Amino acid sequence: KAGVTQTPRYLIKTRGQQVTLSCSPISGHRSVSWYQQTPGQGLQFLFEYFSETQRNKGNFPGRFSGRQFSNSRSEMNVSTLELGDSALYLCASSSTGANVLTFGAGSRLTVL
Amino acid sequence: AQSVTQLDSQVPVFEEAPVELRCNYSSSVSVYLFWYVQYPNQGLQLLLKYLSGSTLVKGINGFEAEFNKSQTSFHLRKPSVHISDTAEYFCAVSDRDSGGSNYKLTFGKGTLLTVNP
Repeated sequence: KAGVTQTPRYLIKTRGQQVTLSCSPISGHRSVSWYQQTPGQGLQFLFEYFSETQRNKGNFPGRFSGRQFSNSRSEMNVSTLELGDSALYLCASSSTGANVLTFGAGSRLTVL
Repeated sequence: AQSVTQLDSQVPVFEEAPVELRCNYSSSVSVYLFWYVQYPNQGLQLLLKYLSGSTLVKGINGFEAEFNKSQTSFHLRKPSVHISDTAEYFCAVSDRDSGGSNYKLTFGKGTLLTVNP
């Protein structure tokens, strides 16, 4: 069974640009969550999607957005990038009622 | 709002020694508790979880943790560590009723376990 796949694994952007990150969950998992990991703030919850609906959202500015498609794949977008957006972005999926998240390897974003 | 405190940011130990990584959480409501491990340049791997039932939980790679509701703690232990256990360990908690979703985790800052030969 394939795990959670995140693309791209590494990317470099400059301030003011926007970025889109992709996440393919484990087959059959309908919930996808996104987390930001930085050395200073640690792991912080961004948002969670289930059946194409955002169910939960963390305390991030509106520049951070996401969506989920009918096949459960998810994307997150960050617009008007700032230096502080440099981070490892982790996606996780879960099956209904399992109460356990399986994480992907992450997308490491560097903003110059 | 939930908060998770991992009391030690770094724990150095020698190979084959026992180790305990400490974790306390803030809320007294019913919670789910987790320990994840992160190796360099990788995502998070689930070590073990407490959802209900026995307060002593056994996980992968010989790790175990004990849920203590009165002390709001969920400390991780291993009786004998190996070099390969060197990694960062994260404690996480979710409320059983978090806005209709059990999938919002609050993480601690992490404990870097370094196992020396």
